[in-house]
Amino acid sequence: QKEVEQDPGPLSVPEGAIVSLNCTYSNSAFQYFMWYRQYSRKGPELLMYTYSSGNKEDGRFTAQVDKSSKYISLFIRDSQPSDSATYLCAMSEFISNFGNEKLTFGTGTRLTIIP
Amino acid sequence: GAGVSQSPRYKVAKRGQDVALRCDPISGHVSLFWYQQALGQGPEFLTYFQNEAQLDKSGLPSDRFFAERPEGSVSTLKIQRTQQEDSAVYLCASSNPTGPGETNEKLFFGSGTQLSVL
Repeated sequence: QKEVEQDPGPLSVPEGAIVSLNCTYSNSAFQYFMWYRQYSRKGPELLMYTYSSGNKEDGRFTAQVDKSSKYISLFIRDSQPSDSATYLCAMSEFISNFGNEKLTFGTGTRLTIIP
Repeated sequence: GAGVSQSPRYKVAKRGQDVALRCDPISGHVSLFWYQQALGQGPEFLTYFQNEAQLDKSGLPSDRFFAERPEGSVSTLKIQRTQQEDSAVYLCASSNPTGPGETNEKLFFGSGTQLSVL
């Protein structure tokens, strides 16, 4: 069983819809939770970053972390065709002064927003 | 440069050949990571450098994989005697951490090298 589980999709929704993406994990030591967006043939780019449990909002994006359930979510409001990409959740056990924390990624969910 | 640059973008190798993949991190970035991303999967950690020191190589799948960063800037990932299971996108990422809590917000990925072993 993988440490991080993510439904690979694909997921297709109409423009303007609310999108919900989720990951579950098994490692209780994970404390830092991230969502990356990856366009085709590009590297991942960081969307949201959350420490421990709680919510974080940035524009149309909201990240939620529930450590008691080992479950994280990303919500996209007013989805746009430009949001079509693969969304990867990622986690790490710690953040250091030296940037040596390695990330554990989910498999990614392929999302298509239909105009 | 403006971002993390990787070359070549695509590499086709015959089984058994050696390959070398190059990463030019963002100038001045101390931390450098290599990740392997198989088709339809998320990236998996391979190795980490802090300047020229390779501090973590726990993710390298076999002794055929070797990485170096001799002057603390450009890094090369070398794969000897390539096998079909080595086919993947190899991603390089760099960061320049300024303190706790800021590190991952400063992690920048390159577009990767897509390696196909025939």
